[in-house]
Amino acid sequence: GAGVSQSPSNKVTEKGKDVELRCDPISGHTALYWYRQSLGQGLEFLIYFQGNSAPDKSGLPSDRFSAERTGGSVSTLTIQRTQQEDSAVYLCASRPGTGTVGYTFGSGTRLTVV
Amino acid sequence: GENVEQHPSTLSVQEGDSAVIKCTYSDSASNYFPWYKQELGKRPQLIIDIRSNVGEKKDQRIAVTLNKTAKHFSLHITETQPEDSAVYFCAASSQDTPLVFGKGTRLSVIA
Repeated sequence: GAGVSQSPSNKVTEKGKDVELRCDPISGHTALYWYRQSLGQGLEFLIYFQGNSAPDKSGLPSDRFSAERTGGSVSTLTIQRTQQEDSAVYLCASRPGTGTVGYTFGSGTRLTVV
Repeated sequence: GENVEQHPSTLSVQEGDSAVIKCTYSDSASNYFPWYKQELGKRPQLIIDIRSNVGEKKDQRIAVTLNKTAKHFSLHITETQPEDSAVYFCAASSQDTPLVFGKGTRLSVIA
């Protein structure tokens, strides 16, 4: 597509439920990133996919968080047993590959855990 | 790993004045330094970037400088306008690492 597409744009869930967030990167972009932005805060790295390489999961805050990227394109971030502190905007970004090129961000999914 | 510090956290300037935001980084292997602008409720958007083989880059009213020895880089906005009001993020990365972002600077341009 023309840009990075994320869905849903907003998600309200009850504490303890599982949620899935979806990211569709720009066509041809091999690198895909997930970041989390809490209210009024900076961007916290979560996970990074590059082509067929094993993902860099070093930013995942707990084992309740996982992500996959199928066919080198669409990615899904799953949060199990959601907690109130998981409430944030989850941003996905992609870029053509590694190296010195900027990301293009999606509009994000605003997750609210009640 | 990389650590990026950004100052100030908030900045207010009069319309027409200049604004400067400064960042420092810790990893000497970092070679790419982008700046993002995020308007309220919107996605971060890349406004300018600089690579480690360059000391300065300009694009109309915005410029970025890089001092590799001191490990710091700065964003300069001249002739500020109300539409420049936003949160600005600096970031740093090396060839195969994700961007590490500063905590952001909220810029307010007062008309």
